[in-house]
Amino acid sequence: GQNIDQPTEMTATEGAIVQINCTYQTSGFNGLFWYQQHAGEAPTFLSYNVLDGLEEKGRFSSFLSRSKGYSYLLLKELQMKDSASYLCAVRDTGRRALTFGSGTRLQVQP
Amino acid sequence: ETGVTQTPRHLVMGMTNKKSLKCEQHLGHNAMYWYKQSAKKPLELMFVYSLEERVENNSVPSRFSPECPNSSHLFLHLHTLQPEDSALYLCASSLGTGGSNGNTEAFFGQGTRLTVV
Repeated sequence: GQNIDQPTEMTATEGAIVQINCTYQTSGFNGLFWYQQHAGEAPTFLSYNVLDGLEEKGRFSSFLSRSKGYSYLLLKELQMKDSASYLCAVRDTGRRALTFGSGTRLQVQP
Repeated sequence: ETGVTQTPRHLVMGMTNKKSLKCEQHLGHNAMYWYKQSAKKPLELMFVYSLEERVENNSVPSRFSPECPNSSHLFLHLHTLQPEDSALYLCASSLGTGGSNGNTEAFFGQGTRLTVV
């Protein structure tokens, strides 16, 4: 089975940097995904990691350490519109679909 | 617009009603999923369809009945639901279901907010 943990809530200031951590346990790792979900809207894909290291995409970066079962999503130059829930999800080689964590609700303050 | 359309967006139904949720994807994907999202809980996988064949049923009660008539459409038929079934039901699709290539991101619909009274 899989177990995915991430903080429930975080607060950060506009213009700052925030790091959202995710730890996971899985029997056969085959990729980690980050999604953003605004209230009342569909989750939207942000990033994908399958090898160790940092993947950068504009203001967002995602890091993976497979040996530690650990990932983080880094958001730079925070904007008010970044206030949303951020979902960490893992794909297991034995399963076809993604397993999601509970999500981290990020509030960006002025 | 994500390419995955769900209807209705909101649904209120009694415990004795029968209703259906509809999902349509215009992305040419061959895998479709139903997820349930309850407050303060992780997205819960319900069903997985690959090439119109159900390949995963995640111990979902029989009062939820999925149907996939073709690779573009997915339904969730509901009957004799309970108040605890009230949640956001999300449909998703992807190109394939992972296999040796893990990067098959799922695209989600806006969801149907279901309230059972």
